[in-house]
Amino acid sequence: DIQMTQSPSTLSASVGDRVSITCRASQDINNWLAWYQQKPGKAPKLLIYKASTLESGVPSRFSGSASGTEFTLTISSLQPDDFATYHCQHFGTFGQGTKVEIK
Amino acid sequence: EVQLLESGGGLVQPGGSLRLSCAASGFSLSSYAMSWVRQAPGKGLEWVSGISNSGGNIYYADSVKGRFTISRDNSQSRLYLQMDSLRLEDTAVYYCARPPPRLNVVVPAALDYWGQGTLVTVST
Repeated sequence: DIQMTQSPSTLSASVGDRVSITCRASQDINNWLAWYQQKPGKAPKLLIYKASTLESGVPSRFSGSASGTEFTLTISSLQPDDFATYHCQHFGTFGQGTKVEIK
Repeated sequence: EVQLLESGGGLVQPGGSLRLSCAASGFSLSSYAMSWVRQAPGKGLEWVSGISNSGGNIYYADSVKGRFTISRDNSQSRLYLQMDSLRLEDTAVYYCARPPPRLNVVVPAALDYWGQGTLVTVST
């Protein structure tokens, strides 16, 4: 089975910061990776699929990239609405989640 | 507007059963594979099960295989999850979710519409 390792588990940042979250696959997954944002008590929201394709309506400050089996979600300039938990997904496997909190 | 509305959650004892339902509206359910995803309190997301648009292909996570049964009634625009032999570790919010049209597969590459979730609590 393919394992997805997401890091860090928590990230403290300030408004305006550039932040990056990483998800590492245990083997080649052909860029089949999605990223979600989730706020407390709410369902996840799809941000990016196929590693780097931005979902319609998602702000352009969000981007996804891939380098081999390492995938990165980057927020170029953190906004107040971005403080949330972020999850990666490869088909039936989700990462452990990264909480982005206010520094 | 696409909407997914789960129901059927509640408190159940270990070993008990529960049937979740997901009512779909705003799109043709018969055109999409569908999934159930759960989230235990304070934990990450876990994909539980997926079913093809016709119901002919079904997959389960190992953690629920043999205990949970996914099904659908396209004529009623409803998705179901029958949960038997429930365990303490099945306690979670259960979401039904739909993939994007271009990624319409049973084990989803992405999920773009989610319901609000229904809480299942397994406890003595």
